[in-house]
Amino acid sequence: DAEITQSPRHKITETGRQVTLACHQTWNHNNMFWYRQDLGHGLRLIHYSYGVQDTNKGEVSDGYSVSRSNTEDLPLTLESAASSQTSVYFCASSGGSSGSSDEQYFGPGTRLTVT
Amino acid sequence: SQQGEEDPQALSIQEGENATMNCSYKTSINNLQWYRQNSGRGLVHLILIRSNEREKHSGRLRVTLDTSKKSSSLLITASRAADTASYFCATEGSNYKLTFGKGTLLTVNP
Repeated sequence: DAEITQSPRHKITETGRQVTLACHQTWNHNNMFWYRQDLGHGLRLIHYSYGVQDTNKGEVSDGYSVSRSNTEDLPLTLESAASSQTSVYFCASSGGSSGSSDEQYFGPGTRLTVT
Repeated sequence: SQQGEEDPQALSIQEGENATMNCSYKTSINNLQWYRQNSGRGLVHLILIRSNEREKHSGRLRVTLDTSKKSSSLLITASRAADTASYFCATEGSNYKLTFGKGTLLTVNP
């Protein structure tokens, strides 16, 4: 069955370190998204991609970057981790062209703690 | 900034009762979607209603959309303990991105 996976599921890192969170989907979806979820804020969009070599900034993109070299993967990199980036991170994907109206399929999440 | 805002923030009911959650938003939308999140899990899509639709049903779920009032409601009928979860509305605007509200925590007591 098609799925979307994230790794690692839990990560503890130190302030200033570079961290990469992996997201892999086997739906063959064009569109992929990264969100962070914090108490009191709901889900906020970090970066998104509508296809290979396409990346776009979301609402809270500062300190994060993504790259899309193939259809299946959209890794999220924290350039220099900060305590404010302690959060639960969700990756999602959807089909359709250039982000057209479609449901999103979510991964299980990565809980990141920055100490 | 949040586009959708759910109301209430928390709702506790008995098994068998109906649960109604509301969502208000501020700008024009292409569609509105509802998602469920069980504790410690990712979000699961429940239902999508387009801006030219007024009501949609899926099993025990009923969603309404009033674009003149910029509001939507999600009704879960004959609730079960397994319906205990957080429920989020998400709006898709002209930029095709989803903007999520902060969610309603539904607790269904056996």
